[in-house]
Amino acid sequence: QQPVQSPQAVILREGEDAVINCSSSKALYSVHWYRQKHGEAPVFLMILLKGGEQKGHEKISASFNEKKQQSSLYLTASQLSYSGTYFCGVRGTTSGTYKYIFGTGTRLKVLA
Amino acid sequence: DGGITQSPKYLFRKEGQNVTLSCEQNLNHDAMYWYRQDPGQGLRLIYYSQIVNDFQKGDIAEGYSVSREKKESFPLTVTSAQKNPTAFYLCASSQIGVDTEAFFGQGTRLTVV
Repeated sequence: QQPVQSPQAVILREGEDAVINCSSSKALYSVHWYRQKHGEAPVFLMILLKGGEQKGHEKISASFNEKKQQSSLYLTASQLSYSGTYFCGVRGTTSGTYKYIFGTGTRLKVLA
Repeated sequence: DGGITQSPKYLFRKEGQNVTLSCEQNLNHDAMYWYRQDPGQGLRLIYYSQIVNDFQKGDIAEGYSVSREKKESFPLTVTSAQKNPTAFYLCASSQIGVDTEAFFGQGTRLTVV
């Protein structure tokens, strides 16, 4: 039931690009992306809604394929500050509830 | 400033003891959540609540209990029935809605010895 993210971990050099994927077995109303530094609280990056609307970070983009129940996060020209663990969050689809579950996480490390 | 506060940051308990983790928010959010984080397993949902005096089990509720007597507070009790309680626990809150983000506390690292 927990969304599956891929890859599990990735190492980049500064300036390189990365793509992180999130795949759910259930239909999604929205996908949310967060970044967490070690030992800290996750920080909101962006929300993608059905129909293509996006809200969030200016320098990070993402896509949401409603039919495939997948989302991808695109990190371009990575900076050292992008290091951390990325999570996708999805809202439950059962009517009347807003169960909020997160993916398995992707560890990203950017090297100088 | 509005936010969500978890306390304590670090907690040590002996095996077999119940322990309660505190979570308070002053964001006027209706929904609150508890997650457990273990290395390599992401965030797993323990319990969630959308309204005072009501809460639902998440994916790993066994060995945990919660209460929601006030809108601002959602304490989590880790009982002796939880077989492997050592973990990092995160509390979050949000407004109700598919387009609303969650705000997280700084977490409590629980170690059971």
